[in-house]
Amino acid sequence: DVKVTQSSRYLVKRTGEKVFLECVQDMDHENMFWYRQDPGLGLRLIYFSYDVKMKEKGDIPEGYSVSREKKERFSLILESASTNQTSMYLCATFHQPGQGSNEQFFGPGTRLTVL
Amino acid sequence: QQPVQSPQAVILREGEDAVINCSSSKALYSVHWYRQKHGEAPVFLMILLKGGEQKGHEKISASFNEKKQQSSLYLTASQLSYSGTYFCGTGGVSYNQGGKLIFGQGTELSVKP
Repeated sequence: DVKVTQSSRYLVKRTGEKVFLECVQDMDHENMFWYRQDPGLGLRLIYFSYDVKMKEKGDIPEGYSVSREKKERFSLILESASTNQTSMYLCATFHQPGQGSNEQFFGPGTRLTVL
Repeated sequence: QQPVQSPQAVILREGEDAVINCSSSKALYSVHWYRQKHGEAPVFLMILLKGGEQKGHEKISASFNEKKQQSSLYLTASQLSYSGTYFCGTGGVSYNQGGKLIFGQGTELSVKP
C-alpha cells in the first residue's frame, strides 16, 4: 500500500525558530512536493524535487528552503518562522509519467502554528 | 496562475446533482481532480488529458474543453460521502514536468440528508 508520512500532525513554534517538516515515502517515487493549504487559497506549491539533491521553486518559496538527501525523504525548512507561516503543510509524491498512475499521493498534513 | 474554480461552495440534498468548474488562463495539457474530506489528505479522483475522452465513474465524471481551457466535474445523484473540498489541478503544455500541478482554490461541497 502506498504510504506518505509526515513527521508531525500538529506543531506549535515561536516566531524566529527554525522549523523542520519531514516527509517520507515508501513508493520509490522520483518527484516530491511541498504545498501549503490556506482557506480560500487552495493548495499552493512551495518547492518540489524531481530527484535526489535536485529542487525547484514553486509559486511561494519565500521564507522556505528544502532538502532532499535521500530519495524517500523530502524536508521543508522554515529558517526563521513567522506568524504568516501558520498553515497546513502537505507533502505529496508522484511517479514519473508513463511509469504508473497519474496521481499525486498526499501525506496527512502538518498543521503548523507560529506564535 | 491558479485556475479559478466555481462555485466556491455548494450545499446539496442527497440525490441532487452538482457541477464544479475549473477555468485556466493558460493552455492546458491535463486537468486532475482531487477530493479532500475534512481532516484528511486529498485523494485523486481522475485525470483528463488534452485530446482525451470524458472520464469518470458511475456518478462522478468530468469533461475537458481545450478551447475554453476549462474542465467541469459532474456529481450525479449525490451521496453523503461526496461531501468535501474538491480541487482541480492543471498541468502545463508538456506532460513531462514531473507531475507538477497548479491547484485551484477549491470548492466546498456539503451534502445534507
